[in-house]
Amino acid sequence: KAGVTQTPRYLIKTRGQQVTLSCSPISGHRSVSWYQQTPGQGLQFLFEYFSETQRNKGNFPGRFSGRQFSNSRSEMNVSTLELGDSALYLCASSLAGGNDNEQFFGPGTRLTVL
Amino acid sequence: TQLLEQSPQFLSIQEGENLTVYCNSSSVFSSLQWYRQEPGEGPVLLVTVVTGGEVKKLKRLTFQFGDARKDSSLHITAAQPGDTGLYLCAGKVWGYQKVTFGTGTKLQVIP
Repeated sequence: KAGVTQTPRYLIKTRGQQVTLSCSPISGHRSVSWYQQTPGQGLQFLFEYFSETQRNKGNFPGRFSGRQFSNSRSEMNVSTLELGDSALYLCASSLAGGNDNEQFFGPGTRLTVL
Repeated sequence: TQLLEQSPQFLSIQEGENLTVYCNSSSVFSSLQWYRQEPGEGPVLLVTVVTGGEVKKLKRLTFQFGDARKDSSLHITAAQPGDTGLYLCAGKVWGYQKVTFGTGTKLQVIP
């Protein structure tokens, strides 16, 4: 069974630009969560999608948005990039979310904002 | 406010030594997971503990969930260089939907 895949693996952007990251969950998994990981803040929850609906949201500004498609694939968008958005963005999938906490992570997308 | 505090933050030990990592909270968790993350990669799930007082073993790793479901520990026996990585605990507080990750413990095992 293929794991969670994320594309691209590495990305370099400049301030003010926007970026779209993609995540393909494990086959059969319907919940996709996104996290931002930085050395200073650790792993911070961005949002969770389940059946194409955003089910939970973290404390990030509206520049961070996402969506999920009918095949459970998810995309995350960051607009008007800031230097502080440089981070490893991780996607995790689980069967149904909710009380099922077991998440399986992708390798992440390393975003550098110059 | 960080719901899950891990200690120690950093740990550098010699191969063959034993160590324990702690994950503490003032909140009650419905379940708790431990992950290991290597540089440039996503966290990999090691174990899930669900019942208060539960103990699970994974080869040289022993995981325990506190009786009150507010804390957990990870004990590694005879650490090996392959155990090097960032160890993260994560859980969902009763009544909340979001999963919270701990602050992390960076372990280095020196050959």
